[in-house]
Amino acid sequence: QVTLKESGPGILQPSQTLSLTCTFSGFSLSTYGMGVGWIRQPSGKGLEWLANIWWDDDKYYNPSLKNRLTISKDTSNNQAFLKITNVDTADTATYYCARMRLRRVPLYWGQGVMVTVSS
Amino acid sequence: NTVMTQSPTSMFTSVGDRVTMSCKASQNVGINVGWYQQKTGQSPKRLIYWASNRDTGVPDRFTGSGSGTDFTLTISNMQAEDPAIYYCLQHNSYPWTFGGGTKLELK
Repeated sequence: QVTLKESGPGILQPSQTLSLTCTFSGFSLSTYGMGVGWIRQPSGKGLEWLANIWWDDDKYYNPSLKNRLTISKDTSNNQAFLKITNVDTADTATYYCARMRLRRVPLYWGQGVMVTVSS
Repeated sequence: NTVMTQSPTSMFTSVGDRVTMSCKASQNVGINVGWYQQKTGQSPKRLIYWASNRDTGVPDRFTGSGSGTDFTLTISNMQAEDPAIYYCLQHNSYPWTFGGGTKLELK
């Protein structure tokens, strides 16, 4: 059974760095073809893909966030991470992590974690 | 970047109706498109992958079709549990991009 759960700070101030953790079970990020991705959704708005990390440590980012993103993984502890630097109010959203499989859109998603950026 | 344009933005329908929604890609994405259903307060649920492959457990009233730049999601017999926002997602090239969504509501 595949499960994913996101965790984060809840609220942070503009210019700070947002650190998110995705803790998963039911698969391994050391298995060929597996990956974890991050997607966000501002309240009442659409979905935005942010980044993927793959079993071979390949990483892909959404260029619209202009080098503010860093994705990483801890295979031993079944976790993936996303950092967003220099946040502002536009980064307020629900952040989802999802299991990726090579050449497929993700089937398994976490429940999402709400992040608010406010001074 | 590949822009995915969904239409209509919203629509009202009745139980039993046949519903068709569109997703158009700004460039050829092959069959590398999936469809998601998102109900209020829930994570997106994948319905279709590779443009036309229905996920296990998804009712057969949901059908995906298309390739290249034009994709369609059809609900053949609208049910009371189907109101939601439906999104397409292309994974043919990075950055992956979602359509803006089609909000489906009951009259």
